[in-house]
Amino acid sequence: DQQVKQNSPSLSVQEGRISILNCDYTNSMFDYFLWYKKYPAEGPTFLISISSIKDKNEDGRFTVFLNKSAKHLSLHIVPSQPGDSAVYFCAATISGTASKLTFGTGTRLQVTL
Amino acid sequence: SAVISQKPSRDICQRGTSLTIQCQVDSQVTMMFWYRQQPGQSLTLIATANQGSEATYESGFVIDKFPISRPNLTFSTLTVSNMSPEDSSIYLCSSTWGLGEQFFGPGTRLTVL
Repeated sequence: DQQVKQNSPSLSVQEGRISILNCDYTNSMFDYFLWYKKYPAEGPTFLISISSIKDKNEDGRFTVFLNKSAKHLSLHIVPSQPGDSAVYFCAATISGTASKLTFGTGTRLQVTL
Repeated sequence: SAVISQKPSRDICQRGTSLTIQCQVDSQVTMMFWYRQQPGQSLTLIATANQGSEATYESGFVIDKFPISRPNLTFSTLTVSNMSPEDSSIYLCSSTWGLGEQFFGPGTRLTVL
């Protein structure tokens, strides 16, 4: 049972445009959500997170939106840069569960020139 | 955040042998985690390792196959025992800071022939 889903395995965006990566979850107990970026041959790098008490969190070019009623979150990258090309994972956790993360399957973002 | 390193970075092993992966954190941490990423798949939590206690394994993972040590607050090992080709994966260790963000090591890419 895949509790965190990223339905788009890949996404191609032109440099300077907006990249929107989507993530859906099924477990209503999740209350903290994270996005990670992963380059080949490296471990995942934490990008940004959001608590369920918020619906938006912004950090520079990265903004995460959370729609609790739809059990949906999205990561916006504006403007997209070639260095953003990587696999992006969303993850979810339940506060107080020893930080156990449940990951989505990932979306490969390709930013083209 | 602390810096997490893993050894080896990659290995090619024969069926039936065992490999021990080391994870070193440059500061003391309470909890460490071991994940597996099979080819084309998401990250799956194997177990949580706390210093001074037995590791807690997730469903589908057992101590006989993946014994874990946590001798102090900066170090952990994961052994992949009696390997088969299905164990070919990237193995990642992580630790947690703040509200739930986990920071990952670079991973160990294991190929079993």
